[in-house]
Amino acid sequence: RKEVEQDPGPFNVPEGATVAFNCTYSNSASQSFFWYRQDCRKEPKLLMSVYSSGNEDGRFTAQLNRASQYISLLIRDSKLSDSATYLCVVLNNAGNMLTFGGGTRLMVKP
Amino acid sequence: DAGVTQSPTHLIKTRGQQVTLRCSPKSGHDTVSWYQQALGQGPQFIFQYYEEEERQRGNFPDRFSGHQFPNYSSELNVNALLLGDSALYLCASSLGTIKELFFGSGTQLSVL
Repeated sequence: RKEVEQDPGPFNVPEGATVAFNCTYSNSASQSFFWYRQDCRKEPKLLMSVYSSGNEDGRFTAQLNRASQYISLLIRDSKLSDSATYLCVVLNNAGNMLTFGGGTRLMVKP
Repeated sequence: DAGVTQSPTHLIKTRGQQVTLRCSPKSGHDTVSWYQQALGQGPQFIFQYYEEEERQRGNFPDRFSGHQFPNYSSELNVNALLLGDSALYLCASSLGTIKELFFGSGTQLSVL
């Protein structure tokens, strides 16, 4: 079983749609969680951290369920510019290594 | 403020050859991590350097080795290249406890 698993997609949605991505992780002792965004042929960049109580940043909402070892990302009112690959990332319990999921590809169409 | 820089941007090698990739971390950062990203997959952790020593290592063979210099820059060396080593190699820097990685734009390695 992979340490961090994501549905690879692609998710094809129209502009303005709401889309949700899910991620599961295997190590229950994992310390912190993040979503990174990677545009085609570019490097990954931090989108947002994921907190236990859930957190929101504009149109983006992240949720964490430690009991189920499950992380989600919700994007509301999708924009063309949201088209990218979204990577679920987990920090190990030692706090010194980030493990990336395989990524979920999102394509927002006009 | 310079971000993470990597060189070269692209490289073509043949099987059995050796390659060295270079990385300069973001100003003020002391930790460098290397990742391999195959097409259509997420980045896979190779190893991490801190205070000129390998602090953590992923599931990669000994053909993959590295070094960190006193100025925090780093090199990734791969010996006896295989076709399967073709990938984007990403360097990421951070300061202290890892909460956010800043990535360079990567080196695209093609092994023929």
